[in-house]
Amino acid sequence: DSGVTQTPKHLITATGQRVTLRCSPRSGDLSVYWYQQSLDQGLQFLIHYYNGEERAKGNILERFSAQQFPDLHSELNLSSLELGDSALYFCASSGGDSGFGNTIYFGEGSWLTVV
Amino acid sequence: QQQVKQSPQSLIVQKGGISIINCAYENTAFDYFPWYQQFPGKGPALLIAIRPDVSEKKEGRFTISFNKSAKQFSLHIMDSQPGDSATYFCATRYTGRRALTFGSGTRLQVQP
Repeated sequence: DSGVTQTPKHLITATGQRVTLRCSPRSGDLSVYWYQQSLDQGLQFLIHYYNGEERAKGNILERFSAQQFPDLHSELNLSSLELGDSALYFCASSGGDSGFGNTIYFGEGSWLTVV
Repeated sequence: QQQVKQSPQSLIVQKGGISIINCAYENTAFDYFPWYQQFPGKGPALLIAIRPDVSEKKEGRFTISFNKSAKQFSLHIMDSQPGDSATYFCATRYTGRRALTFGSGTRLQVQP
């Protein structure tokens, strides 16, 4: 158990809908990352938050947004969903600085199926 | 734009054999090179990591070999076991940043 908690584990929704994925980082971790994993795209970095502030953006679509709250949990909002958004969405967290020991720990993911 | 290229895509090894997975990168501003292991239905988990001032790091049966001049690093799994069957990802991280960029993954199957 990595200590990173993601909900829901599975989600089926229709095209055009909006969903919210939730993540609780490891206790004390200030950084939260979101990744998307699909069969043809591998693990794609979406966005990184540190202590409530956005720090880096990756390949995140404009239909997607995220935020990190004062209690450090994070939410990834996916809107106007398309079939191609079906994927496994991972949240990860890390603490400390950007030094060598800054291990990133992944949750078990949220499976999103868009039908 | 792919930051790190991983090969092979899949690998079948006999029990007791050596599994070798390779990654190549282009950007010299990377300062951290981890390998992650992912089992079906689970999130990736850190297996072993190296920084560019070291040429090799060994942890049990797992070894990272790092060739800075060639901009390549590889994972060697000695005495491969069926329990090692998983998908392995190499990753890189820009100096001063925290997010990782992952390779495309290698699905390893160790046959008993």
